[in-house]
Amino acid sequence: GAGVSQSPSNKVTEKGKDVELRCDPISGHTALYWYRQRLGQGLEFLIYFQGNSAPDKSGLPSDRFSAERTGESVSTLTIQRTQQEDSAVYLCASRRPGLADNEQFFGPGTRLTVL
Amino acid sequence: GEDVEQSLFLSVREGDSSVINCTYTDSSSTYLYWYKQEPGAGLQLLTYIFSNMDMKQDQRLTVLLNKKDKHLSLRIADTQTGDSAIYFCAEESGGYQKVTFGTGTKLQVIP
Repeated sequence: GAGVSQSPSNKVTEKGKDVELRCDPISGHTALYWYRQRLGQGLEFLIYFQGNSAPDKSGLPSDRFSAERTGESVSTLTIQRTQQEDSAVYLCASRRPGLADNEQFFGPGTRLTVL
Repeated sequence: GEDVEQSLFLSVREGDSSVINCTYTDSSSTYLYWYKQEPGAGLQLLTYIFSNMDMKQDQRLTVLLNKKDKHLSLRIADTQTGDSAIYFCAEESGGYQKVTFGTGTKLQVIP
C-alpha cells in the first residue's frame, strides 16, 4: 500500500492480557515512531526507531511496554499485562531518510480498549 | 527534556483570522511543525519552519517563530468551517530526529 498501515484497527482486551500492535511503514522509510493518544488528549511520544535501533525509548510508560523493529520495516509494540489506563489510540508514523524537515506520515492508529 | 504546550481550545467566527499558539522548551530544536487532525482522520502535516527563520507564509497560513521566547504561532486567515480540527504543534530535537508533539488545540469555526 501507499501509506502507513496499522493492525488491528481496534482491539478490545481484558485487563491483564498481553497485546501486540503492528505497524507497516511506507517502504524505504527508515525512521519509525510510536505515539499514544488518550481520548481528548495530545500525542504522547513512546519510542523512535532509526532503522532497527531505538535511540530513544524514553517515552515508554513502564517495563510492560516494549517495541521492536525488524529489517527496517515492520514494527510491533507489545503491551504486557494490560491495564485500563493503557486504553488509547496507538499511532505509528514513518519518515524517509534525509533532511529533518521530512514529513511524518501517520497510520490510522489502533484503538485499544482494556476492560 | 522536551516539553511542548498549547491552549486546548479556540473558537472563531467564519471569515475571521485564527491564531493558535505554542510554547516549547528545547533550545536545540531544529524544525517546528504544525499538524492537523480532522475528526476520524489521521494527522497530516500542514506546514513547518526551520529554527533560523522568523516567519513562513503558505497561502492562508502564516507561521511566526520567536526563538528567544520559544514561542510558535499559526495564523489562519479567512478561517473556514473546513478548518475545524485539532492543530498540533511539534518540535524536532537536534540529533536524533525525535519529534515531540504538543497537547493539541481544538479549533471550532462558527458559521
